[in-house]
Parts: sequence; C-alpha cells; structure tokens
Amino acid sequence: GIQVEQSPPDLILQEGANSTLRCNFSDSVNNLQWFHQNPWGQLINLFYIPSGTKQNGRLSATTVATERYSLLYISSSQTTDSGVYFCAGNNNNDMRFGAGTRLTVKP
Amino acid sequence: EAGVTQSPTHLIKTRGQQATLRCSPISGHTSVYWYQQALGLGLQFLLWYDEGEERNRGNFPPRFSGRQFPNYSSELNVNALELEDSALYLCASSRDPGQPQHFGDGTRLSIL
Repeated sequence: GIQVEQSPPDLILQEGANSTLRCNFSDSVNNLQWFHQNPWGQLINLFYIPSGTKQNGRLSATTVATERYSLLYISSSQTTDSGVYFCAGNNNNDMRFGAGTRLTVKP
Repeated sequence: EAGVTQSPTHLIKTRGQQATLRCSPISGHTSVYWYQQALGLGLQFLLWYDEGEERNRGNFPPRFSGRQFPNYSSELNVNALELEDSALYLCASSRDPGQPQHFGDGTRLSIL
C-alpha cells in the first residue's frame, strides 16, 4: 500500500502566525483529504483535494498530484486550530493516513 | 443533514470478551469504513463495506469482523478482546467509493 509522510511532526505557533503542513505520498492517489482531529478526538474533514487548490476561510490546500504531495496552509492561526492534522489518500479504496502533524497554537 | 453517528461513545470490556460497535452513515451514503486509532499507531484502516458487502480489509486478524445492514448502517465486532485492542474506533461514510469520507465521533474501547 501507499506510504504517507507528513511534516513536520510537531509545530508550535504563536497565535496569529502562519504555517504550512506538508504531505508526501509514495504513489499516486485517487483522492486526498485533509482532516483536523481536535483535542476531543473528533475528526473533521477539512478538504477533499485530489488536485488543485481550495480555500476555506483561513485554511487553504494545494495538491500537486503529478509530484505526489499536498500542502495545507493555515493563516492567522488561532488557539482553536490546535490539534492533529492528518492527510490521507487511497488508490485502492483503503485510505491510508499519515502520522499527523500535532499543532499547538499558544495565546 | 445528520452526520455519521456511532454508538456507544465509550465501551469498557475485559480480556476475552466480545465488543460490538455500531455506526450509522450519513443519509444517502452507501460506503462505510472502519478505522482504529490506537496509541502510538496512528489511524489504521480496518474494513470497508459497500452495498452490504465487505470490499476490503486492512491488516487485522479475523477476530475483527463486521457487517453492513440493508439500511447501510454497520457493526464492527471484535472477538476475544486483547489489551492492545484498546483504541478509538472511528467510522466514516461516503456517498460512493472514492468520494470524500466523513467521520463520526468514534467509540473509545478500553480493555481492562
């Protein structure tokens, strides 16, 4: 199965800072999603982005399918952005998750 | 629309017992996926059901099994529970295979 690498594994930001999270895939994927898992364990779907760029408020994501990576941008971070960010993709309908980036936003 | 619902929220069992976890997908979604998030192991794919059939399973022993009902809800059964089965079990649904997956809040299974 495909391997998914996320970087950085941990990120500490001051409120208001911007950040970029990266996700690399070992093989091409049919679809790609970014999730945010909040401190209570809830997994929230942020983006479904097999290719191209999407924006949703302070968050945006870009996937370059030909180069097998995706980026998640968080601008003007807030303390509520804290949690773990996962990217996931599949090429055989078994979605593989990266290990996540643990983001801590300090007030 | 209502999201993916899972029950129970928490489940406490002892070694050797059996656990049943339930999932109701979003209305109109036919695919249901199960994932395990164990401490230190990340999110791992368990099972995928679509139209009542098991379509794919991850690298888990046969004591992890499940089914999908005609109304597309699903059960995950774990037999002969072991301590390392303690984890958050997440269910997701999608409208069709390959479409975005939407997750429930999970069932936290603790094995004593």
